Amino acid sequence: EAQVTQNPRYLITVTGKKLTVTCSQNMNHEYMSWYRQDPGLGLRQIYYSMNVEATDKGDVPEGYKVSRKEKRNFPLILESPSPNQTSLYFCASSFSGVRMNTEAFFGQGTRLTVV
Amino acid sequence: AQKVTQAQTEISVVEKEDVTLDCVYETRDTTYYLFWYKQPPSGELVFLIRRNSFDEQNEISGRYSWNFQKSTSSFNFTITASQVVDSAVYFCALSEPNTGKLIFGQGTTLQVKP
Repeated sequence: EAQVTQNPRYLITVTGKKLTVTCSQNMNHEYMSWYRQDPGLGLRQIYYSMNVEATDKGDVPEGYKVSRKEKRNFPLILESPSPNQTSLYFCASSFSGVRMNTEAFFGQGTRLTVV
Repeated sequence: AQKVTQAQTEISVVEKEDVTLDCVYETRDTTYYLFWYKQPPSGELVFLIRRNSFDEQNEISGRYSWNFQKSTSSFNFTITASQVVDSAVYFCALSEPNTGKLIFGQGTTLQVKP
């Protein structure tokens, strides 16, 4: 089954404790990205990756890191989480971000709470 | 700048009513893609449709239909004979060609009452 898998689904952590949210897709997609969803602010892109070893900032990259060492994986790293990073996070993938000739598949979401 | 506007924040209908969700977009690009996603109470984002800027044909999928009008920069979504399971937040989105980013509207919360 074609899917984007995020883990964990739910996470409560404390300020400053490094964490990683994993994202994996099994569709051989070139393009992957991360979004956060906040009430009143909608969905905003954090980082994106056009292909392996090619990552770039989205609209709200501060406080986040990503890496793309393999095509299927695109982890989101919070080196020192803060309460303003409490949000619902989505990983997405598509065959090609630029051509967008396939739909963007989204993971199930990770609800992160930083206390 | 690119922008997607979903002017209807919340819509409430009674089951079996038809409902149309509006989406207006702004872009200077000649090639772009438009999307609709459904976010049910469980939180995931479910893809509904993708439409490219060169294809203005309306599309119907079961009870769902989409009306794309380039002249008015609109991509409206109609649910015919709504059901309680249609209750969700619906997002319209526009792709940014250089980055692949999806620019989302603020979403329309649809409540279908029995």
